[in-house]
Amino acid sequence: QSVLTQPPSVSAAPGQKVTISCSGSSSNIGNNYVSWYQQLPGTAPKLLIYDNNKRPSGIPDRFSGSKSGTSATLGITGLQTGDEADYYCGTWDSSLSALVFGTGTKVTVL
Amino acid sequence: QVQLVQSGAEVKKPGASVKVSCKASGYTFTSYDINWVRQATGQGLEWMGWMNPNSGNTGYAQKFQGRVTMTRNTSISTAYMELSSLRSEDTAVYYCAREPSGNSVDYWGQGTLVTVSS
Repeated sequence: QSVLTQPPSVSAAPGQKVTISCSGSSSNIGNNYVSWYQQLPGTAPKLLIYDNNKRPSGIPDRFSGSKSGTSATLGITGLQTGDEADYYCGTWDSSLSALVFGTGTKVTVL
Repeated sequence: QVQLVQSGAEVKKPGASVKVSCKASGYTFTSYDINWVRQATGQGLEWMGWMNPNSGNTGYAQKFQGRVTMTRNTSISTAYMELSSLRSEDTAVYYCAREPSGNSVDYWGQGTLVTVSS
């Protein structure tokens, strides 16, 4: 019962762009920074975006993040087969005093 | 390079406890909080709580209050997560992760599979 809602799946052809939405509320996304994680099959999650739109060292600029109000978006351009993974948004929830994650989105490269 | 290396898989009976370790290297252990996140097979990420390795202060998700204990041994840069009164629903991969800020975690351990079965 995650407090952050994501679409279950998105797909696109190689080289195309996908966007993944993350919907929350004023107690989480509305007043805190958002991060995004990529989880390849059988591996631990990996930080892709932090503080809404910053990329850690080594993350290509094909990955981008944005936030508006109580929603956030992850964009992936130039889609590659290696991008097939589950993607999660995350942020602090001030009401729950908890780190919360989205429901997760599976990206499929057609 | 920053690394978090976790202990190996565990099989436990219902009602038992499990203690998972997370050894940090490549950075100053006491400078960053450690969070614990679990993931049941085919499910999403579930946050369990955090621990400040410097002070030992902790914060637990309400769901796990009374059943989880997070501790550390600074002399060996290792964090621990103990979960008691295990039930089948606790079967999951447990991850430790370093927290650079209150809103995200950056480095993750490789995960520890805990199976609860009679």
